Amino acid sequence: AQSVAQPEDQVNVAEGNPLTVKCTYSVSGNPYLFWYVQYPNRGLQFLLKYITGDNLVKGSYGFEAEFNKSQTSFHLKKPSALVSDSALYFCAVRASGYSTLTFGKGTMLLVSP
Amino acid sequence: DGGITQSPKYLFRKEGQNVTLSCEQNLNHDAMYWYRQDPGQGLRLIYYSQIVNDFQKGDIAEGYSVSREKKESFPLTVTSAQKNPTAFYLCASGGGDDTQYFGPGTRLTVL
Repeated sequence: AQSVAQPEDQVNVAEGNPLTVKCTYSVSGNPYLFWYVQYPNRGLQFLLKYITGDNLVKGSYGFEAEFNKSQTSFHLKKPSALVSDSALYFCAVRASGYSTLTFGKGTMLLVSP
Repeated sequence: DGGITQSPKYLFRKEGQNVTLSCEQNLNHDAMYWYRQDPGQGLRLIYYSQIVNDFQKGDIAEGYSVSREKKESFPLTVTSAQKNPTAFYLCASGGGDDTQYFGPGTRLTVL
């Protein structure tokens, strides 16, 4: 079985400040972890993924995420938020050997000017 | 949204009517997926296909049907048996890099 939790429905941050969107997961075996972003009435855009290797993963638009095996977390971070980062963010997990992704419920990020 | 197209963008269905949502990809991906998105519920998997002429049920397959006759195409039919079909439907495809890539979505509304 595999599951993902995004504990915050919404995250508010001021432009220029660092942002963190939290994600924890549960899988049997090694996890494949993903972050996607969705703008209103659009499909999901892939941001970054962790499969193996370095725990710090860098992705699109200046985003990065840190894989922490002991805390079963994969939080999304950005050093300096932009108003244009405001969107819905999804974390997803797949256990190695599984065919399908399980998504979290999403976290709305609002960046104020 | 890459090389995945979905049509139509908006679709209206009357009660008791079947409708078919189109999904086409030119990424040469073997796997294709259909998800349903409802506010506050994230994405839920309806059906997926890992190879032509084969598909599996996801978590919420009741009231839906699919076919995979061509590698590029994975249409989803929402049947009259689906009691609450109003939602945003997303198609995705996946290749050898372990990543799923999504289309722009179809918003289905029941009148």
